[in-house]
Amino acid sequence: DQQVKQNSPSLSVQEGRISILNCDYTNSMFDYFLWYKKYPAEGPTFLISISSIKDKNEDGRFTVFLNKSAKHLSLHIVPSQPGDSAVYFCAASVWGNQGGKLIFGQGTELSVKP
Amino acid sequence: DADVTQTPRNRITKTGKRIMLECSQTKGHDRMYWYRQDPGLGLRLIYYSFDVKDINKGEISDGYSVSRQAQAKFSLSLESAIPNQTALYFCATSEVPGQGQETQYFGPGTRLLVL
Repeated sequence: DQQVKQNSPSLSVQEGRISILNCDYTNSMFDYFLWYKKYPAEGPTFLISISSIKDKNEDGRFTVFLNKSAKHLSLHIVPSQPGDSAVYFCAASVWGNQGGKLIFGQGTELSVKP
Repeated sequence: DADVTQTPRNRITKTGKRIMLECSQTKGHDRMYWYRQDPGLGLRLIYYSFDVKDINKGEISDGYSVSRQAQAKFSLSLESAIPNQTALYFCATSEVPGQGQETQYFGPGTRLLVL
């Protein structure tokens, strides 16, 4: 059972436009969400996170939105740059019993075209 | 120098062989993890360790074992490799979170092919 889902395997965007990557989850106990970026031949690198007590977190060109009622989060990249081309994973965790383990989505490959 | 290193970076082995993947970190983190990545499935947790004396099974531990030799070292073993263990393997570390939640830091990965 996939608790964290990224239903779009790929996304193509023109340079300078907005990229919106989506993620849905099923476990209402998740209380912390993260986005990771992965380039080929490298490990995932942390990008941005959000706690369930917030509905928005912004860091430069990257903004994560959380809609708890819809169990949905999204990552907005504005403006998109060719260097943003990578695979993006969303992840979720539950503190407490599970000790902060991360559950990852399948990933979305973003391609930003010049 | 990288904070989280994995060796080897690439490995080809045959069915039935024993293989060990190694992970070292200089971040001083207590928590270490092993994941595998398969196309269309994201990253799945194999084993994790919250300190040297603590080892826990993850989502897909069958066919794997681990050893936490020191705070900085966490090894993953495939006792008898099989072709469906062909995947990209990642080690990760994290520190015990304070007020915030934990963030995991990943190594560069080991690409394993089992023939």
